[in-house]
Order: sequence, then structure tokens, then C-alpha cells
Amino acid sequence: GDSVTQMEGPVTLSEEAFLTINCTYTATGYPSLFWYVQYPGEGLQLLLKATKADDKGSNKGFEATYRKETTSFHLEKGSVQVSDSAVYFCALTSSYDKVIFGPGTSLSVIP
Amino acid sequence: NAGVTQTPKFQVLKTGQSMTLQCAQDMNHEYMSWYRQDPGMGLRLIHYSVGAGITDQGEVPNGYNVSRSTTEDFPLRLLSAAPSQTSVYFCASRMTGGPYGYTFGSGTRLTVV
Repeated sequence: GDSVTQMEGPVTLSEEAFLTINCTYTATGYPSLFWYVQYPGEGLQLLLKATKADDKGSNKGFEATYRKETTSFHLEKGSVQVSDSAVYFCALTSSYDKVIFGPGTSLSVIP
Repeated sequence: NAGVTQTPKFQVLKTGQSMTLQCAQDMNHEYMSWYRQDPGMGLRLIHYSVGAGITDQGEVPNGYNVSRSTTEDFPLRLLSAAPSQTSVYFCASRMTGGPYGYTFGSGTRLTVV
């Protein structure tokens, strides 16, 4: 069945460091791919999405490119801030219109 | 512009009690879902609905009931609360038939003692 795998956390970075959170997926057909962010004590928020191969989603300085050849959708940010500390979830919408979430990756950014 | 509204935000129940978690959305979304979030377990789908009058089970439906009488509302009922149902519950909604992301509520933190 369809699945999403994310890198294990927690990830701890210093402010202004470069961030990569790896995400790979298994799916039949052509899924849409998403990144969600969950700040402490809140619900998930949609961060960015991509709907077809080679699409790049971007928002708030975060980017992710839909790589069909490697079935990946890695999240990147050039310079993280303390306010980016959160849990990040990779997700896909399958050909059956079902949403599959990865397990989440916790990010802590220290000043 | 309320989005998805969940009530209550916090609740403590005794084992065996029943209660209903409320969820309402004002975006005319057809698709609504209930998830529970536990440490180390990620998000697990409890029940979902693709429109008024239509519901289906997710991966962890036991001990929960849902109904969908209107597009806006999707309440989750705990029939007889158990300590294993201590969790944070999220309601989410989205449009169907395309690459639409979820809008999540802010969650209900439930403790069963």
C-alpha cells in the first residue's frame, strides 16, 4: 500500500543553519505531495504542496521538489529561525483520494 | 473566517463515561476526518466522511462513532471511555477530487482516568 517515510528526529540546529528533512514515498499512480507543520500546542497547518513531477512547492522560505525518479519530496530551508521549531509532517494524497501521513520529524532550533 | 472549530479544547473523563467531541467547518468542504495523535505514533485516522450522510472507518475506529448529518458538522462520540483513549484528537477537512490539503482544527486534549 501507499506509505510515507521521513527521517528520524529529533533534529537540532543552530539558528541560521541549513535545514533538510528527508521524505520518501511509495504510491501507485501520481500522488500529490504535501508538507505540514505543527507548532507546539496547535493543529497541523499546510506548509506547501506539489502536484506533479518536478514541481517545486514553496512557502515561508521552505521549499520541496517533487522528484518522481527518486520518489522523494525533501523539505529544505536555507536559514532556520528559532520560530521554525515545530514538528514537520510529509504526506501524500493517493490515487484513491486518501491522505497518508509520515510519522513526523521534530525540529528544534537553538539561538 | 473560522475554518475548523473543535470543542472542547480540554476534557477529563472517568472510565466508562461517554462524550461527544464537536467539529464544525465553514468552508463547505465535503471531506472531513478525525485523527488521534499519540507520542511516537504519529497521526492515526479514526473515521472519515466524504459528504453528508456518508461515513467510513479509518485504521483505529474501535470505541468511536461518527455521523454526518450536515456538510458543516462531524461529531465524534466516545461510547465508553477507556484510558487507552487518552490522546489529542484533531478534526480536519478538505475539498475532494483534487490536490487539496487539509485544514485542521486546534485539537481536543482528552484524558481518561
